[in-house]
Amino acid sequence: EVQLVQSGAEVKKPGESLRISCKGSGYSFTTYWINWVRQMPGKGLEWMGKIDPTVSSTTYSPSFQRHVTISADKSISTAYLQWSSLKASDSAMYYCLRGDLWPWGQGTLVTVSS
Amino acid sequence: QAVVTQEPSLTVSPGGTVSLTCGSSTGPVTSGHYPCWFQQKPGQAPRTLIYDTSKKHSWTPARVSGSLLGGKAALTLSGALPEDEAEYFCLLSYPGGVVFGGGTKLTVL
Repeated sequence: EVQLVQSGAEVKKPGESLRISCKGSGYSFTTYWINWVRQMPGKGLEWMGKIDPTVSSTTYSPSFQRHVTISADKSISTAYLQWSSLKASDSAMYYCLRGDLWPWGQGTLVTVSS
Repeated sequence: QAVVTQEPSLTVSPGGTVSLTCGSSTGPVTSGHYPCWFQQKPGQAPRTLIYDTSKKHSWTPARVSGSLLGGKAALTLSGALPEDEAEYFCLLSYPGGVVFGGGTKLTVL
C-alpha cells in the first residue's frame, strides 16, 4: 500500500526548534517530490514547498522561504520539515503530499504556546 | 504570487447538480495548470479526487467530474449525496510551485 506516515503531534514553546517527519512506503521514495502543506485552525490549505528526495533539491513558497527548512533522507525514505525558532503563529496542522498529489500524510498537529 | 479563487460556499439539494469553480489571477486556467481537486471533511486529511483537470483516482465517485469551463477549472457533482458535504480545494500549478484555492464549503441541503 502506498502511504505517507507522519510523526506525531507536538507541543512546543515559542523560540524552540522542531523537526517533523514524513515517511514514504509502498513505492520508490526517490521517484516523486514531497510537498509540505500548512492548514491553520479553521483555514484553508497553503503550499509551503517541496523537495526532490533524490538530490534534496528544494523549492519554497515565498511566504515560507525564510522560516522553515525542508530536507530529506532518501536512505530511510523520509522527508522533514523543520523550524529553528517557533512562533505561536506556527500552530497548525501540517501535511505532506507526494509530488503527483496523492497520497496525503495523515497530518501532524503542531501547537506552540507559552 | 498568483491568487487562486473559489466560491466560499455553495449549497446543493440532494440529488442535484453543482459546479465548483477555480480561477487564476494570472488569466484563464488551462490544462497547463494541471488543475487538481481535493475533498476535506472535518477532522480528516484532504483526499485527492481529480488531477490533471479531469483524471480520476479509483476512489473518485462516478458522480464527480473535472473540466475546464469559461476560463476556469470546474468540479461538477451530479446527483449529490449527503456524504458530499465537505470542503473542496482546488490547486493550480505555476512555474516554481503550486497554489491552493481558498476552498469551497459545500452544503447538501
